[in-house]
Amino acid sequence: NAGVTQTPKFRVLKTGQSMTLLCAQDMNHEYMYWYRQDPGMGLRLIHYSVGEGTTAKGEVPDGYNVSRLKKQNFLLGLESAAPSQTSVYFCASSRDGDTQYFGPGTRLTVL
Amino acid sequence: AQSVTQLGSHVSVSEGALVLLRCNYSSSVPPYLFWYVQYPNQGLQLLLKYTSAATLVKGINGFEAEFKKSETSFHLTKPSAHMSDAAEYFCAVGNTGFQKLVFGTGTRLLVSP
Repeated sequence: NAGVTQTPKFRVLKTGQSMTLLCAQDMNHEYMYWYRQDPGMGLRLIHYSVGEGTTAKGEVPDGYNVSRLKKQNFLLGLESAAPSQTSVYFCASSRDGDTQYFGPGTRLTVL
Repeated sequence: AQSVTQLGSHVSVSEGALVLLRCNYSSSVPPYLFWYVQYPNQGLQLLLKYTSAATLVKGINGFEAEFKKSETSFHLTKPSAHMSDAAEYFCAVGNTGFQKLVFGTGTRLLVSP
């Protein structure tokens, strides 16, 4: 039981490049979330999903897109990366919308 | 709208001393409250949660927190700090039903020998 895994762990992009972050969970959870963590700002919700095929905007959705084609996977896309998107990205999942379980994070640097 | 305020971005204690990390919340509905811990270069782990049952909540690693509605607080305590407690701690608020948690900005706990 791996819990929540994130791929990749580290990535460096140039401004304007695109990439996709993958989150996978093996706990059969309905709810999945993407957060970004910046120094002094805590965690801010980017997008979330309440089930397969559904997505919704969180607090800071601009510049990001998501998809939940399979229940176990939640993808976060950056279409045209900007330096302001340099951050640590965390994925989380939850069975019933209560306790969230977090992945180890992806450290993204945009030059 | 819900919000969380964590007083003190850094708290320093000596090993064996009392740990007190402060969290105040704002919520227009009965809140669910959480404390998460983040060790260096890791994701967040749940320490404890309050979901309207007992107001004193016990968590892992000897931590506990007390929900005080009159003070809108949910402070985290541990009687005796250990070196392994050094980490960043986040308070979060949600509400009944689907949880879109709102996190505080975090408090880094430093433990000195």
